[in-house]
Amino acid sequence: QQQVKQSPQSLIVQKGGISIINCAYENTAFDYFPWYQQFPGKGPALLIAIRPDVSEKKEGRFTISFNKSAKQFSLHIMDSQPGDSATYFCAARGRGSTLGRLYFGRGTQLTVWP
Amino acid sequence: DGGITQSPKYLFRKEGQNVTLSCEQNLNHDAMYWYRQDPGQGLRLIYYSQIVNDFQKGDIAEGYSVSREKKESFPLTVTSAQKNPTAFYLCASNTDYGRAYNEQFFGPGTRLTVL
Repeated sequence: QQQVKQSPQSLIVQKGGISIINCAYENTAFDYFPWYQQFPGKGPALLIAIRPDVSEKKEGRFTISFNKSAKQFSLHIMDSQPGDSATYFCAARGRGSTLGRLYFGRGTQLTVWP
Repeated sequence: DGGITQSPKYLFRKEGQNVTLSCEQNLNHDAMYWYRQDPGQGLRLIYYSQIVNDFQKGDIAEGYSVSREKKESFPLTVTSAQKNPTAFYLCASNTDYGRAYNEQFFGPGTRLTVL
């Protein structure tokens, strides 16, 4: 059972446009929601993260919007650049017996055309 | 430099062989993880360990084994029981849960191919 559902699977955006990737979860015990960026052949790297007591977090061109009641969160990439072309994963952290482990979405492959 | 190292970068295995993937971290992290990545499947957790000499199965542990004899090392063995082992394997680690944003760091990965 997929704990975190991510969409779309792939996304093509023109340079300068806005890229939006969405994630949804069911487990209300999740307490930390990171986004990771992965380039081909490399390990993922943390891009930005948010806790559920905050509705929005912005770092440069990257913004997480969080809707606790809907159990959804999204990544917005403003002024998308060709260098942003990568695979993006959302994730959620469990608590209790699964302390610290992350549940990942299946990823979104973003292509930004110049 | 602090970080996570994985070796080898590429590994080829014949059917019926066991192979061991190395993961070492010098970040002084307590928790370590092994993930398997297949196209379109995201990152699936194989095993994780929160302290030395203790580890838990993840979602796809069958055909894999691990050990955690030292804090900085968490090797993964892919056994002959794993029927479809060709994949990209990622090791990760993070600090203790008590921190509000305990970032999980990833290694560069090992690509395993069965011949």
